Amino acid sequence: DTGVSQDPRHKITKRGQNVTFRCDPISEHNRLYWYRQTLGQGPEFLTYFQNEAQLEKSRLLSDRFSAERPKGSFSTLEIQRTEQGDSAMYLCASSPGTSVTDTQYFGPGTRLTVL
Amino acid sequence: RKEVEQDPGPFNVPEGATVAFNCTYSNSASQSFFWYRQDCRKEPKLLMSVYSSGNEDGRFTAQLNRASQYISLLIRDSKLSDSATYLCVVTGTGGFKTIFGAGTRLFVKA
Repeated sequence: DTGVSQDPRHKITKRGQNVTFRCDPISEHNRLYWYRQTLGQGPEFLTYFQNEAQLEKSRLLSDRFSAERPKGSFSTLEIQRTEQGDSAMYLCASSPGTSVTDTQYFGPGTRLTVL
Repeated sequence: RKEVEQDPGPFNVPEGATVAFNCTYSNSASQSFFWYRQDCRKEPKLLMSVYSSGNEDGRFTAQLNRASQYISLLIRDSKLSDSATYLCVVTGTGGFKTIFGAGTRLFVKA
């Protein structure tokens, strides 16, 4: 399967702990997005990368959140000092990165539960 | 005001019905428009792109009105398998930031 993969699929953590999620995009896709989705809402944009450059971050992304894509391939999203409000599905998507009309292909997501 | 707003739903329709979803967006500089479909507890998947000239894919027709900043999706001859959440998506509002609507839930009943 050459789709977008995310790891882990589920994460349960205690408030105050740090967590890190990984996303492997479709091979040769230059653009990579992170979203957060809560029940009954659409995916909420967090940030995106063009190759290894992080080009935009949502104002919703507090200082506790950081994302990297060091070699322009896989990406990690870290949440420090987790809070119960961080409980959500974290989705990663990739696109070829050649046009604003590119289709985004989503991974299965990482479901985070903060106790 | 939300950047992308959709009919709240849910829509409950019988098989064979025609159903239409509406979406409005606030940023006139938006460049690209899409409808995605999301099944329960699954990731979103592209249903179709939306063009100013309107486009059709089988039973699905999408329309864009840039002047009114309005997007629509029409589903004809609804099938049970069409039951899902339909997400209106706008991108290019600044760089490649992508904004999703909250989604409209559709239930198609036998």
